[in-house]
Amino acid sequence: RKEVEQDPGPFNVPEGATVAFNCTYSNSASQSFFWYRQDCRKEPKLLMSVYSSGNEDGRFTAQLNRASQYISLLIRDSKLSDSATYLCVVSRPPAGGGNKLTFGTGTQLKVEL
Amino acid sequence: GAVVSQHPSRVICKSGTSVKIECRSLDFQATTMFWYRQFPKQSLMLMATSNEGSKATYEQGVEKDKFLINHASLTLSTLTVTSAHPEDSSFYICSARRGRNQPQHFGDGTRLSIL
Repeated sequence: RKEVEQDPGPFNVPEGATVAFNCTYSNSASQSFFWYRQDCRKEPKLLMSVYSSGNEDGRFTAQLNRASQYISLLIRDSKLSDSATYLCVVSRPPAGGGNKLTFGTGTQLKVEL
Repeated sequence: GAVVSQHPSRVICKSGTSVKIECRSLDFQATTMFWYRQFPKQSLMLMATSNEGSKATYEQGVEKDKFLINHASLTLSTLTVTSAHPEDSSFYICSARRGRNQPQHFGDGTRLSIL
């Protein structure tokens, strides 16, 4: 079983739609959670951190359920520029300290006119 | 901001060539740098963790003699793919962080194609 699992998509949605992505992680020792965005053939960029209380940044809302080991990302009023691959990322402390990031394979979003 | 620069962005070379990729933190000192590899339609996979002044820690399955990492200063880490073969063709991305619980900042990646 992969440590971080995501539906690969693609999700094809019309402009203005609301779309939700889900992610599950297997390691209960995971401490920090993030959503990254990766455009085609580019490096990943941090979109937002995810907290148990839920957090919102403009049109983006992230939720974490530690009991279910489940993370979600909701995008409202989607724009053409939201088209990208969204990576679910989990961080846990390896032996020796610090934090090790584990990436999901990503969910591809295509927003269409 | 925290800027990480990676060079070169694209490399095409013949099988058997050794390729060096540089990762620089431009506006901060990075105690730790990370090297990732991403094959098409797959997730980023951590290859190794590099701490300034000490030997890199390699992930399971990554050959340390094949992928040489040098982290000689707080702003520069290099990855050398020795005697590269077509199966080494991939997108290599570095990241850097200031301290243990600080976020990682990613370079813009190097696309390596071995013919």
